[in-house]
Amino acid sequence: GAGVSQSPRYKVAKRGQDVALRCDPISGHVSLFWYQQALGQGPEFLTYFQNEAQLDKSGLPSDRFFAERPEGSVSTLKIQRTQQEDSAVYLCASSREGSNQPQHFGDGTRLSIL
Amino acid sequence: QKEVEQNSGPLSVPEGAIASLNCTYSDRVSQSFFWYRQYSGKSPELIMSIYSNGDKEDGRFTAQLNKASQYVSLLIRDSQPSDSATYLCAVNDGGYSTLTFGKGTMLLVSP
Repeated sequence: GAGVSQSPRYKVAKRGQDVALRCDPISGHVSLFWYQQALGQGPEFLTYFQNEAQLDKSGLPSDRFFAERPEGSVSTLKIQRTQQEDSAVYLCASSREGSNQPQHFGDGTRLSIL
Repeated sequence: QKEVEQNSGPLSVPEGAIASLNCTYSDRVSQSFFWYRQYSGKSPELIMSIYSNGDKEDGRFTAQLNKASQYVSLLIRDSQPSDSATYLCAVNDGGYSTLTFGKGTMLLVSP
């Protein structure tokens, strides 16, 4: 497909379990972003990749959150020892190289921690 | 800390009217500005981008930017019920930097 693809669309996990969320960006997009969106809020930045390099991870809420993009394409956001406050929609976005490029979002993964 | 402020709404307008959505931002070095539309349960969809002062028109949508006042707005002409959604304002300070989003304004267009 032509857009950003995320999987799974929905994930339910018990508190304490580890989860992995996948993002496949638009082909040729160098930049990849992860955001967290709580109900009724705007997306909040988690981390940014340029190709395989993670250039900014200042938004990751704790060391339980880890993201990687080993080959500069698909990215995985991993959350270890999940907590109820991790319940949110996790959005991935990608953009072309260069400043001020618009970001295009995937459909997100809705994570529910029981 | 960068802040983007939007009235949460809902903003209710009748079909065919002009809807005006407003956004203010705190970081004076901000360089690019985006409006995203988000339907309930869906992902944000880019509808407008604006980079310089003034107006930018695209179909029924007009974005307006005033950097001196740190203000950006979105006008939707001939509003349709299908325009009912949450509109997110997002600001970027250039470079590779992340987007800072407002909380969004819910727009309701009644038939």
